[in-house]
Amino acid sequence: GIQVEQSPPDLILQEGANSTLRCNFSDSVNNLQWFHQNPWGQLINLFYIPSGTKQNGRLSATTVATERYSLLYISSSQTTDSGVYFCAVEDTGRRALTFGSGTRLQVQP
Amino acid sequence: DTEVTQTPKHLVMGMTNKKSLKCEQHMGHRAMYWYKQKAKKPPELMFVYSYEKLSINESVPSRFSPECPNSSLLNLHLHALQPEDSALYLCASSQVRGHSYEQYFGPGTRLTVT
Repeated sequence: GIQVEQSPPDLILQEGANSTLRCNFSDSVNNLQWFHQNPWGQLINLFYIPSGTKQNGRLSATTVATERYSLLYISSSQTTDSGVYFCAVEDTGRRALTFGSGTRLQVQP
Repeated sequence: DTEVTQTPKHLVMGMTNKKSLKCEQHMGHRAMYWYKQKAKKPPELMFVYSYEKLSINESVPSRFSPECPNSSLLNLHLHALQPEDSALYLCASSQVRGHSYEQYFGPGTRLTVT
């Protein structure tokens, strides 16, 4: 099956700092999503981005499908950004998401 | 509205109990999913329903029995579970056809098997 690798696994930032999270995947995809999982377990949709660039407030994402990677940018981080960020992909021909192992982000005041 | 609801939020059950998890969406989605998430791990797919028919079963033990009674509802029936089945169970839904197959997740049911 498709492989999804996320880096870094852990990240500690001071409030106000910027960061870039990376997601590499091993095959062509129909769907790529970024999620933020809060401490209560809820997966919050950040971006649906199988290709191209999107921005939503302090967050933006870019997927380069031909090179099989996606980047999530967080600017001016806040303590509420803490949690686990997952990249998940749906490969062609299979209607299901495969998740990366996540990046655990801690933003300190 | 992009809401998927799940009940109950928490469930504690013994190994001889029978219980059910419920998931509901009213977005008109015709694909629904069950994922299992162990602590500090990513979610892993269990089942996929498409147009109320089971399309993917990830070799899940038969003590987990899914059911999709209509296009808005998804159940997961639990019987004779083991302590290692304790996890967060997440339901999701998506379109089947069209441009976007974005999946939306419910808040999950946190299951403890004693």
